Amino acid sequence: KQEVTQIPAALSVPEGENLVLNCSFTDSAIYNLQWFRQDPGKGLTSLLLIQSSQREQTSGRLNASLDKSSGRSTLYIAASQPGDSATYLCAVRQGAQKLVFGQGTRLTINP
Amino acid sequence: DTAVSQTPKYLVTQMGNDKSIKCEQNLGHDTMYWYKQDSKKFLKIMFSYNNKELIINETVPNRFSPKSPDKAHLNLHINSLELGDSAVYFCASSQAEWLSPLHFGNGTRLTVT
Repeated sequence: KQEVTQIPAALSVPEGENLVLNCSFTDSAIYNLQWFRQDPGKGLTSLLLIQSSQREQTSGRLNASLDKSSGRSTLYIAASQPGDSATYLCAVRQGAQKLVFGQGTRLTINP
Repeated sequence: DTAVSQTPKYLVTQMGNDKSIKCEQNLGHDTMYWYKQDSKKFLKIMFSYNNKELIINETVPNRFSPKSPDKAHLNLHINSLELGDSAVYFCASSQAEWLSPLHFGNGTRLTVT
């Protein structure tokens, strides 16, 4: 059974810092991995999708990496801003169109 | 222009009632989902439909019955609501291919009193 773990559960950093969020999964037989952000009271916004054959994806200040063999992914946020404050979720996609989510990292960027 | 829309946004009801949550997507996707986010913020899949056919039923009590009148809509009907059903329910959609990303609605916060 796939289990997805995100560390840390919460992170608070000053504005302008670069930071890394971690995601690990127990079963490397995945199709892809997706990073989302969730704002309070809102739905999930897709940030990056990495296919199992890829090593990384970039979008603006965000960079996500995937090491499938070791069951790890990282989300790197450069030059953090207060607007980046949210909960970040990673999810791995397995067969039958199913996403398995981690519990998220609650990120706070202090001005 | 909302891609995946759910109604209502909030739903407060008493134990034993029956309620429905509606979901519509205008992305032309073939697959739709219902996810449940519990009080610990853990998101778990409940159902998945592909072209109106049930693909995943993840050991959800049969009080929960999804209905897909067409591939742009997936509604969730819940009978005999219980306190433990209180959660945020998210609808999502994607292309049928397993490589495509999921797009989520803003969620429906269900509170059972």
